[in-house]
Amino acid sequence: GAGVSQTPSNKVTEKGKYVELRCDPISGHTALYWYRQSLGQGPEFLIYFQGTGAADDSGLPNDRFFAVRPEGSVSTLKIQRTERGDSAVYLCASSLLVRNEQFFGPGTRLTVL
Amino acid sequence: GQNIDQPTEMTATEGAIVQINCTYQTSGFNGLFWYQQHAGEAPTFLSYNVLDGLEEKGRFSSFLSRSKGYSYLLLKELQMKDSASYLCAVRDTTSGTYKYIFGTGTRLKVLA
Repeated sequence: GAGVSQTPSNKVTEKGKYVELRCDPISGHTALYWYRQSLGQGPEFLIYFQGTGAADDSGLPNDRFFAVRPEGSVSTLKIQRTERGDSAVYLCASSLLVRNEQFFGPGTRLTVL
Repeated sequence: GQNIDQPTEMTATEGAIVQINCTYQTSGFNGLFWYQQHAGEAPTFLSYNVLDGLEEKGRFSSFLSRSKGYSYLLLKELQMKDSASYLCAVRDTTSGTYKYIFGTGTRLKVLA
């Protein structure tokens, strides 16, 4: 079966622009997590969903970051007024239930020039 | 708050055994996970411990001591393909939700 997919795989944008990053979880997985990973660091928690609702968004760095999962499947991470410090790999992971192991997608590499 | 510590880098020889340690501090411990991440790729799940003791899975074993806030990942019969970063992660329920806190990862180099 298909794993977690993320699009685009690479995104280059200019400072101040708006970007959307998409995550398609494994079918039937109810929990979906977003992480940000910088070079040489571990994934940093941003937000997670159980179904359609954001269960914990305490990792979002500021109000420029927002994520949705309107139908409990695909999720979109939205970043407004991008800054150079937002450059990182954004990882998405899903699990059948929140207590189960997570399966990660390949990530979106965001570069803000 | 939460804190996870693991060594930054380790080097070992093909065929040998290596132990990667991880210490953590959290008030809402709900399980410890180990992931493998090859350069430029996504993390892949290796093991999970929620109770004290050793979990064995082929060449990989993971140990947990909750009272000491300590875990290790043991890799036996090392192969070149084991060169990767190994991430220790704690599932934390301090805030009543299920957050995963990752360490910075241990970069393992396996030499011929």
